[in-house]
Amino acid sequence: QVQLQESGPGLVNPSETLSLTCTISGGSISTYYWSWIRHFPGKGLEWIGYIQYNGNTLQNPSLKGRVTTSLDMSRSQFSLKLRSVTAADTALYYCARLNWNAYRKFDSWGQGILVTVSS
Amino acid sequence: DIQMTQSPSSLSASVGDRITITCRASQNIDKFLTWYQYKPGSAPKVVIYGASYLQTGAPSRFGGSGSGTDFTLTITSLQPEDFATYYCQQSYNFPGTFGQGTILEIK
Repeated sequence: QVQLQESGPGLVNPSETLSLTCTISGGSISTYYWSWIRHFPGKGLEWIGYIQYNGNTLQNPSLKGRVTTSLDMSRSQFSLKLRSVTAADTALYYCARLNWNAYRKFDSWGQGILVTVSS
Repeated sequence: DIQMTQSPSSLSASVGDRITITCRASQNIDKFLTWYQYKPGSAPKVVIYGASYLQTGAPSRFGGSGSGTDFTLTITSLQPEDFATYYCQQSYNFPGTFGQGTILEIK
């Protein structure tokens, strides 16, 4: 049973870079797409982007190129960097595993980490 | 982006009730529709994927149906642990988009 755990700072200054890491345990990294999703307080969920096991990446165009994702297979971790953050980026951030071969469901999620953008 | 519209936005029900939540997509998404159960402080869980497939480990009282643009999630005989927020999500087109959620509360 795969488990995911987010880590990183809970407070980021405006205009700086939000950096999060997700640690994968108990499962294979290959054949899956490793994703970031965020949940805005009192509002909806937004898919941020993913990185494939072979290094291919895709980001939500709504984030206007501010996203970088990376994968460290040796450490079973993948990471998110979101540049030039504003208060609108305050959200609960989740890492999740996308199972492309099963109707592309996010079949495992971390517990989430609340990130607040404020000075 | 494909818009996903859920109804109702909230629902009050009692243990033992049967409830239905609907999700409508703004365009055809075939059967690329997943239902997630969300409880604050916990990781979201898949209950239904591919519109009608029960996720391994999810109770059989959960059921899903639909294809194209209209989908439903049904829970028969509600149990106390089922009271949560439910989201639908389409994965047919990039980027995958979520409904606004349905809060299922105890009456």
